[in-house]
Amino acid sequence: ETGVTQTPRHLVMGMTNKKSLKCEQHLGHNAMYWYKQSAKKPLELMFVYSLEERVENNSVPSRFSPECPNSSHLFLHLHTLQPEDSALYLCASSQTPNLGEQYFGPGTRLTVT
Amino acid sequence: QKEVEQNSGPLSVPEGAIASLNCTYSDRVSQSFFWYRQYSGKSPELIMSIYSNGDKEDGRFTAQLNKASQYVSLLIRDSQPSDSATYLCAVSGGATNKLIFGTGTLLAVQP
Repeated sequence: ETGVTQTPRHLVMGMTNKKSLKCEQHLGHNAMYWYKQSAKKPLELMFVYSLEERVENNSVPSRFSPECPNSSHLFLHLHTLQPEDSALYLCASSQTPNLGEQYFGPGTRLTVT
Repeated sequence: QKEVEQNSGPLSVPEGAIASLNCTYSDRVSQSFFWYRQYSGKSPELIMSIYSNGDKEDGRFTAQLNKASQYVSLLIRDSQPSDSATYLCAVSGGATNKLIFGTGTLLAVQP
């Protein structure tokens, strides 16, 4: 256990559905991240939050909408996704933003049908 | 040119041997370098960080950094089957100040 939890662990959704991914960190960190991991591709940084403020948005399509209500919780709201959005979505946290020493949650395996 | 480049493998080594994993990066101003281990079906786990040229040892793991050659490596001594995983190289502190990952090298340690 890294101190970062994610739910759900697996999610299957249709292209017209709306769902949310949840992440919680118990490490007292000030920065949280969403990454996308697809087969044969490097981890892709999607969003960075520092003390609940979004500091990074890497040209992610608007069908992905992040929310950070406090420094311990991070959500990723999903709507009208495409099959190519199927991937492992990883949440991570670190003491300060863009620190290389990051702690990852177990991930949510998303399948879009 | 990829920002962080790794051979995807698989790299197959016999149990007890030294596994050598290599990584090159393109941003010359990068400052910090990391190795993450990812078991199949699991999330990445930080195992080593290195910030200055030379070697850094931690148990069976040694990270090596050569900034002039833009090269970082990870040596695993006395490899065990439990070391079988994908090893991700990550680099930060460059022009974008983001943590950039390579695609990873799959290591298979044969008993």
